[in-house]
Amino acid sequence: NAGVMQNPRHLVRRRGQEARLRCSPMKGHSHVYWYRQLPEEGLKFMVYLQKENIIDESGMPKERFSAEFPKEGPSILRIQQVVRGDSAAYFCASSVRTGGIETQYFGPGTRLLVL
Amino acid sequence: KQEVTQIPAALSVPEGENLVLNCSFTDSAIYNLQWFRQDPGKGLTSLLLIQSSQREQTSGRLNASLDKSSGRSTLYIAASQPGDSATYLCAVKTRIGGSEKLVFGKGTKLTVNP
Repeated sequence: NAGVMQNPRHLVRRRGQEARLRCSPMKGHSHVYWYRQLPEEGLKFMVYLQKENIIDESGMPKERFSAEFPKEGPSILRIQQVVRGDSAAYFCASSVRTGGIETQYFGPGTRLLVL
Repeated sequence: KQEVTQIPAALSVPEGENLVLNCSFTDSAIYNLQWFRQDPGKGLTSLLLIQSSQREQTSGRLNASLDKSSGRSTLYIAASQPGDSATYLCAVKTRIGGSEKLVFGKGTKLTVNP
């Protein structure tokens, strides 16, 4: 069973461009979380999705950021018109609930650099 | 608002030393607490997960304790090795705004010198 996969692992964009980050959850997992880690900071929750539904997007900036988890295919975190402050590592986690306990499994992250 | 603090921010020790990393959280209403390891440029590896009803968990040279009432956890690493060098993150699972979330500390960067 492959782990959580994220691609690309590294992404360089110029200011004003769009960034698309992809996350493929572990097989059988239908819940996906996105986190952002700024330099020298801990991970901060951004959004929680189930298949075709956004459950909680309270951690996501109101503008330029969007996320989806379609019925088929990976979850996508989209950042429009990137700015230098968007440079960070973006981590995805997928989860499964067993016996009432949910466990999140993290991907390797996408490191976004905005020039 | 749940806040997680990790002390110290960085720690450098000689090989073989036993050490303790500290984590504190402001709201004791948590589901569980988890310790992760993060290597430079890599993702997170889960080390230990302590449910809110538990007091400690052990895995090999690692032992994590949880005192929910005082909002504290420690990660004890015995007989440290250079391969233990990494950033250690503490995270609590809590309910915020209607859904369960992990709230992370900023981490402790550990360097074990040979």
